[in-house]
Amino acid sequence: AQSVTQLDSHVSVSEGTPVLLRCNYSSSYSPSLFWYVQHPNKGLQLLLKYTSAATLVKGINGFEAEFKKSETSFHLTKPSAHMSDAAEYFCVVSALLSGGYNKLIFGAGTRLAVHP
Amino acid sequence: DAGVTQSPTHLIKTRGQQVTLRCSPISGHKSVSWYQQVLGQGPQFIFQYYEKEERGRGNFPDRFSARQFPNYSSELNVNALLLGDSALYLCASSPDSYNSPLHFGNGTRLTVT
Repeated sequence: AQSVTQLDSHVSVSEGTPVLLRCNYSSSYSPSLFWYVQHPNKGLQLLLKYTSAATLVKGINGFEAEFKKSETSFHLTKPSAHMSDAAEYFCVVSALLSGGYNKLIFGAGTRLAVHP
Repeated sequence: DAGVTQSPTHLIKTRGQQVTLRCSPISGHKSVSWYQQVLGQGPQFIFQYYEKEERGRGNFPDRFSARQFPNYSSELNVNALLLGDSALYLCASSPDSYNSPLHFGNGTRLTVT
């Protein structure tokens, strides 16, 4: 079965410092992994997607994530936090449905706070 | 291009009532999925529709139903509302249903009193 575990429910950083949001996954086959961001009272926006091409995936707004099979991890990083990065971040794995269709399985989320 | 649009944005219902939520996908997208996001949790999969047929269903009771129309828009219906149905209901669309990234709408906030 597919699952993801976000290791931190809350992360707080100062503006201009690096961001690290941690995610471990469990998958019985080569996974498709995603990071989504949700700003208050908004829908979900795709940050980046991993589908077994390059292990280092670059996303929007300066975010990137590294797929590490040996550690079953897919951590999200950004070199320098901006105030506008404050939001809820979800690590997501795609799971197959019957007939070859797929659904997304979300982690519980990590709330990122950015302080001046 | 317009993104995924959902209506209404907010809704207040009483226990036992029925509700219909609506979703218009991005133009050209044939797949629509529905997710429920309870406060403080990640979204949970409810349904996926592709080409007007149900292709997947999550672990939700039969009180939840959905359909997709020929123009690929979709409705989610919930009968006999319970307090626990209070949540943000998110609709997402994609060009197809084979691992394409989902594009989410801003959701409908349902409050059941």
